[in-house]
Amino acid sequence: EAGVVQSPRYKIIEKKQPVAFWCNPISGHNTLYWYLQNLGQGPELLIRYENEEAVDDSQLPKDRFSAERLKGVDSTLKIQPAELGDSAVYLCASSDGDTNTDTQYFGPGTRLTVL
Amino acid sequence: AQTVTQSQPEMSVQEAETVTLSCTYDTSESDYYLFWYKQPPSRQMILVIRQEAYKQQNATENRFSVNFQKAAKSFSLKISDSQLGDAAMYFCAYRSARDAGTASKLTFGTGTRLQVTL
Repeated sequence: EAGVVQSPRYKIIEKKQPVAFWCNPISGHNTLYWYLQNLGQGPELLIRYENEEAVDDSQLPKDRFSAERLKGVDSTLKIQPAELGDSAVYLCASSDGDTNTDTQYFGPGTRLTVL
Repeated sequence: AQTVTQSQPEMSVQEAETVTLSCTYDTSESDYYLFWYKQPPSRQMILVIRQEAYKQQNATENRFSVNFQKAAKSFSLKISDSQLGDAAMYFCAYRSARDAGTASKLTFGTGTRLQVTL
């Protein structure tokens, strides 16, 4: 079974440029998460989707960040415009949504460097 | 809000020896899940072990076991017969058993970097 797929793995951009990250969850997983991981820190949730609905986006900086999961499968996270402080690893995770057994499986992440 | 604390930024263990990584958490909830994730230098976060708070028995997965002390809010990871491939960042994480709004997110500690020496 394929795991969570993310692309690109690495991205280098100049500040004020837009950037987008893509995630394809494990097949059959209806819950998808985007986490931000700063250097030397644990991941922090940005947004959680149940199918195509964003059920928790309280930590997403909505002035510059946006996300979508139009068909309830793959998802895109966008930053426009990027700032120097956005340099971090962006992790996508998915789970089957069963509260009793829910385990989140992570993708390899996208390392963003903003110059 | 829940918090997770890992007080050991770095640990070192010799190959074949045993090491214990510490984790404490703070919550007012009685039902929750605890996890240990491993993140090798390639950065893929891998689940090592999970523990349901309602279970008194400590979880075990091969060479990995936990010491779950609910009253003390402590959740340590023991790695037996350490191998070179165990070298990684280890994150302790908490998740509420509720499934409402922000509840199902994972709250992570800051991680412990484990080095395995020959």
